[in-house]
Amino acid sequence: AQSVTQPDIHITVSEGASLELRCNYSYGATPYLFWYVQSPGQGLQLLLKYFSGDTLVQGIKGFEAEFKRSQSSFNLRKPSVHWSDAAEYFCAVVAVGGFKTIFGAGTRLFVKA
Amino acid sequence: EAGVVQSPRYKIIEKKQPVAFWCNPISGHNTLYWYLQNLGQGPELLIRYENEEAVDDSQLPKDRFSAERLKGVDSTLKIQPAELGDSAVYLCASSFLEPGSEQYFGPGTRLTVT
Repeated sequence: AQSVTQPDIHITVSEGASLELRCNYSYGATPYLFWYVQSPGQGLQLLLKYFSGDTLVQGIKGFEAEFKRSQSSFNLRKPSVHWSDAAEYFCAVVAVGGFKTIFGAGTRLFVKA
Repeated sequence: EAGVVQSPRYKIIEKKQPVAFWCNPISGHNTLYWYLQNLGQGPELLIRYENEEAVDDSQLPKDRFSAERLKGVDSTLKIQPAELGDSAVYLCASSFLEPGSEQYFGPGTRLTVT
């Protein structure tokens, strides 16, 4: 069955420290891959997406993600976290040529001063 | 450019009562999605529209949920009657009609059923 796993329910990092959020997917073929962010009381906003090509993709707000086919992973990274990055982060997949999005359960990021 | 608009933002009703949520997508977006988001979970698709046609409603509990998108623009999602387990956030999103297209989300309607 198609699924997206975000192993960490929540992560706490210090402001200025680096961040990595993990995402693994189970799919018949490499799907389209996405990371969305949701601030409290807000809808989701796209950070970045991977369709094909360069496996390191850059997104908004200084985020990047690396696709690793051998590990079926699409981990999100940021070199230096800001307090405003505190939010919920969702990894998502869409079958190539499709529309239905499957979201992971999310990872809540806490940033401490 | 206005984003996806949803109303109301919050709704509290008693069980067995009806409730309706409204969504106005971004202008020009052919595709509209309704999602259910339970606390601590990612969004789960309820229904997807391409213009005014519901093309994926396999996850919509049709015994109590209904949706419409008249004229292919704004949309309404209804629950009748509501149950305690329906308490959740209902998100609307829209996108262009293109596979893998970025979805733009509204702020959601938080429903509490007492």
